Amino acid sequence: GIQVEQSPPDLILQEGANSTLRCNFSDSVNNLQWFHQNPWGQLINLFYIPSGTKQNGRLSATTVATERYSLLYISSSQTTDSGVYFCAVERWGGYQKVTFGTGTKLQVIP
Amino acid sequence: NAGVTQTPKFQVLKTGQSMTLQCAQDMNHEYMSWYRQDPGMGLRLIHYSVGAGITDQGEVPNGYNVSRSTTEDFPLRLLSAAPSQTSVYFCASRTMNTGELFFGEGSRLTVL
Repeated sequence: GIQVEQSPPDLILQEGANSTLRCNFSDSVNNLQWFHQNPWGQLINLFYIPSGTKQNGRLSATTVATERYSLLYISSSQTTDSGVYFCAVERWGGYQKVTFGTGTKLQVIP
Repeated sequence: NAGVTQTPKFQVLKTGQSMTLQCAQDMNHEYMSWYRQDPGMGLRLIHYSVGAGITDQGEVPNGYNVSRSTTEDFPLRLLSAAPSQTSVYFCASRTMNTGELFFGEGSRLTVL
């Protein structure tokens, strides 16, 4: 199956700082999503981004499918950004199995 | 708009007991799936379904059964619970035309 690696595994930021989270995957994919799991355990969709760049407020994401990686940018971080960020990928063509990375745990301190 | 609804949110079982985690979605999604999340790990796929009457195994299917009799419902059954099944379980759904997954709020299961 597809291997998904996320880096860094842990990240501590001062409020207001910027950060970049990375997701590498081992094979070509048709589908890629970024999720935020908040401290209460809820999984929140951030981006559905199999290729290209998208922005939503202070967050943006870029996927370079040909080079098998995706980046999530967080600018001007806030304490509410704390939690775990997951990347999830899927390869179609008879396989409907979404594979998650192990996540980046982000802590934003005041 | 309810989205994906999971019940119960919390459950404690004794080893050997059986139970069913319920998952329902009101978005007419063809694809539904169950994941488990253990501490320090990402989500691992247990079973999935691409439509009523069609199910398949994911990465960690042992000890779990599923069925899909309607588009809306995808229950996960534990026939004989084991302590290794202590975990947080998430149900998710999406259409077959797009890849965007939508998750329920999770069900925390403890097996003593």
